[in-house]
Amino acid sequence: DAGVTQSPTHLIKTRGQQVTLRCSPKSGHDTVSWYQQALGQGPQFIFQYYEEEERQRGNFPDRFSGHQFPNYSSELNVNALLLGDSALYLCASSLSWTGNQPQHFGDGTRLSIL
Amino acid sequence: SQQGEEDPQALSIQEGENATMNCSYKTSINNLQWYRQNSGRGLVHLILIRSNEREKHSGRLRVTLDTSKKSSSLLITASRAADTASYFCATVTNAGKSTFGDGTTLTVKP
Repeated sequence: DAGVTQSPTHLIKTRGQQVTLRCSPKSGHDTVSWYQQALGQGPQFIFQYYEEEERQRGNFPDRFSGHQFPNYSSELNVNALLLGDSALYLCASSLSWTGNQPQHFGDGTRLSIL
Repeated sequence: SQQGEEDPQALSIQEGENATMNCSYKTSINNLQWYRQNSGRGLVHLILIRSNEREKHSGRLRVTLDTSKKSSSLLITASRAADTASYFCATVTNAGKSTFGDGTTLTVKP
């Protein structure tokens, strides 16, 4: 039973470019959340998707957008990349959007902005 | 600002000793969860404790929750070198939003 998978594992972009990160949730999970983790810090909540809708959003600008597909997989898009967007981007899936279930994390995409 | 704040920021102990890390938070919660993260990897869920629970155990892990003090602690007994990792608490609101602290970095020396 595959856990949460993310692609790509590493990515290098330059300022102003756009990037798309992908996530496949654990089998049976319908809720996907995205987090940004800067070096030495905890994960910061970007947004959560459930039933193909953005259900909740953290304190991130509109440059950060996402999508959830009918098979529950998800994408995170970031436009007009800034140096400060360099971070580990984590995807987490769970059985429920309510937060009453543990989240299962992928190993993340390491995004570097030059 | 982060909802949960872990203390201490870093902890170094010898194998076989116990490790205790604490988490404080500011607003009401539905539950609190502890996660472990090895360097360069994703987070792994350890324990979920609901707001009406006071203590939970899982193997060598013991978690307590004091909602009156808005604090939680994670105790790892008889630590092993493999326990070396960063440990995060996550507070979850009734709306289902999770907020992580900046973690405690635990080093267990063989």
